[in-house]
Amino acid sequence: EAGVAQSPRYKIIEKRQSVAFWCNPISGHATLYWYQQILGQGPKLLIQFQNNGVVDDSQLPKDRFSAERLKGVDSTLKIQPAKLEDSAVYLCASSSGTFYNEQFFGPGTRLTVL
Amino acid sequence: DQQVKQNSPSLSVQEGRISILNCDYTNSMFDYFLWYKKYPAEGPTFLISISSIKDKNEDGRFTVFLNKSAKHLSLHIVPSQPGDSAVYFCAALNNAGNMLTFGGGTRLMVKP
Repeated sequence: EAGVAQSPRYKIIEKRQSVAFWCNPISGHATLYWYQQILGQGPKLLIQFQNNGVVDDSQLPKDRFSAERLKGVDSTLKIQPAKLEDSAVYLCASSSGTFYNEQFFGPGTRLTVL
Repeated sequence: DQQVKQNSPSLSVQEGRISILNCDYTNSMFDYFLWYKKYPAEGPTFLISISSIKDKNEDGRFTVFLNKSAKHLSLHIVPSQPGDSAVYFCAALNNAGNMLTFGGGTRLMVKP
């Protein structure tokens, strides 16, 4: 079974630039999550999708972050414009249901904002 | 406001000995707890979990203990192996069952 795929794996940008990350969840998984993991901290949930609808985006900085999950499969997370404090690993995870089912994580995208 | 805390950023243990990783939480509404293991350049992988109605759950070399009154849980690895060297995250699930809150992680190093 293929795991959660993410790209790119690494990205370096300058502050005020824009960046986008892509996630392809495990086939058949209805729920998709984006987490931000700052160095030395645990992952923090940014947004959760159930199919193509948003379940929770209470911790997403909506002035600069946006995410979509078209057709309920792949998802993109965008930052526009980026700030220095956005430097982190962005993890995508998927699970088969909304109530807790094991979340499977992708390898993450490491973003460095200079 | 950190609702899940792992106060030890790192732990070093000799191969064959016991590793004990600790986690504290503040939200009494959490009712399901999980441990994840993370290797460099990989995403976290689920290791073991425990429901708040239990005080112990065991899976092979891994045992998780929960002390609800103290809002404390711990992960025991016996015997520790060099391949266990990784970052371990404690996580708590809200009672709606849809949001995980992670601790900051503990880096475990098991020396041969």
